[in-house]
Amino acid sequence: DADVTQTPRNRITKTGKRIMLECSQTKGHDRMYWYRQDPGLGLRLIYYSFDVKDINKGEISDGYSVSRQAQAKFSLSLESAIPNQTALYFCATSDLGLAGDNEQFFGPGTRLTVL
Amino acid sequence: SQQGEEDPQALSIQEGENATMNCSYKTSINNLQWYRQNSGRGLVHLILIRSNEREKHSGRLRVTLDTSKKSSSLLITASRAADTASYFCATALTDKLIFGTGTRLQVFP
Repeated sequence: DADVTQTPRNRITKTGKRIMLECSQTKGHDRMYWYRQDPGLGLRLIYYSFDVKDINKGEISDGYSVSRQAQAKFSLSLESAIPNQTALYFCATSDLGLAGDNEQFFGPGTRLTVL
Repeated sequence: SQQGEEDPQALSIQEGENATMNCSYKTSINNLQWYRQNSGRGLVHLILIRSNEREKHSGRLRVTLDTSKKSSSLLITASRAADTASYFCATALTDKLIFGTGTRLQVFP
């Protein structure tokens, strides 16, 4: 079984709808992240959480919210979806290793289309 | 804003050739990491090099880091068709990673 799972894998929705993307991990990591990927722009950080009580905004948090329900679960919500939120969304986890090594482990992604 | 910029944006080679990708960044870092992404899939961590290291190897991968020039390179030796993917560098200063825009590598059989 995959260490980091995302649901749904694909979603088509309409402008104005509320959407929730979910992420679960079995790696036992405290740190979780949400990114979006647009063609030619690499990955941009939306929100991140270093433990259950910690939520931080990333580079592009406007229009998004998150909830850290448990160490293993981190969900991303679009309260009122708009077409320019059409993108590939990734969840990732990490732990803080020796010497500050912080490699991240990614889920398979959710392809979201907002019409 | 992007911290890392990869060069070239796209690279096409034949199987057996070496592939070199470069990454430049703007600020001080704790470490620099390289990731691979197969089309439309999640990123996979390849290798991490710390700011006090200059070179690191992992299998067919060789990474160099020059902190004075704020640049890194990833060399894939004896490339295979299965190496076809996008490759991203990511820099870490605080506990977050900042990703570059990636190099698309195509390896022809």
